[in-house]
Amino acid sequence: TQLLEQSPQFLSIQEGENLTVYCNSSSVFSSLQWYRQEPGEGPVLLVTVVTGGEVKKLKRLTFQFGDARKDSSLHITAAQPGDTGLYLCAGEGGADGLTFGKGTHLIIQP
Amino acid sequence: NAGVTQTPKFQVLKTGQSMTLQCAQDMNHNSMYWYRQDPGMGLRLIYYSASEGTTDKGEVPNGYNVSRLNKREFSLRLESAAPSQTSVYFCASSEGLSPRGTDTQYFGPGTRLTVL
Repeated sequence: TQLLEQSPQFLSIQEGENLTVYCNSSSVFSSLQWYRQEPGEGPVLLVTVVTGGEVKKLKRLTFQFGDARKDSSLHITAAQPGDTGLYLCAGEGGADGLTFGKGTHLIIQP
Repeated sequence: NAGVTQTPKFQVLKTGQSMTLQCAQDMNHNSMYWYRQDPGMGLRLIYYSASEGTTDKGEVPNGYNVSRLNKREFSLRLESAAPSQTSVYFCASSEGLSPRGTDTQYFGPGTRLTVL
């Protein structure tokens, strides 16, 4: 069974600060996806990274896929209250398709 | 486009009762999925349907059955609900371009189920 560990589990910071959340595994994934989920809604895809070492930017969000394709990080610059939510990583490569991590609960306080 | 819709949004059942959760997508996707989301457990796959006419078990299929009624609709049935099935249930769909349909998944808003 492939496992994805996300850290930290909870993070509360002030508006304007920078932060990084991590998604780690001992398994290799062919691709990795990041989703954001807001309260009362389903997850929404933010980005998919495919190549080891790949970096993708989405406005203030920077996603990186590890060289060995076992880990990924999400960095947010100048966090805003609208960034509040549950951030989930999901790896492709297991027998059942996507394997989801347990998520990082992020709160950005005004 | 409505995307992925789920009904009902909320449901309370007594132990032993049965119910069916409905899911429909209007994106002409081939693959559809049912997940449950529990605090501290993340999203766990219950069943999926890679294409119309096929269904396969996921990580936690016990106590559930599914029906891929047509390309648009994928239902999840609890025959005899148990308190351990209290959860938030999400349906998702994807184009199914990759072998196991692990391309972008589009999620519905969820059904919040409580079993007393």
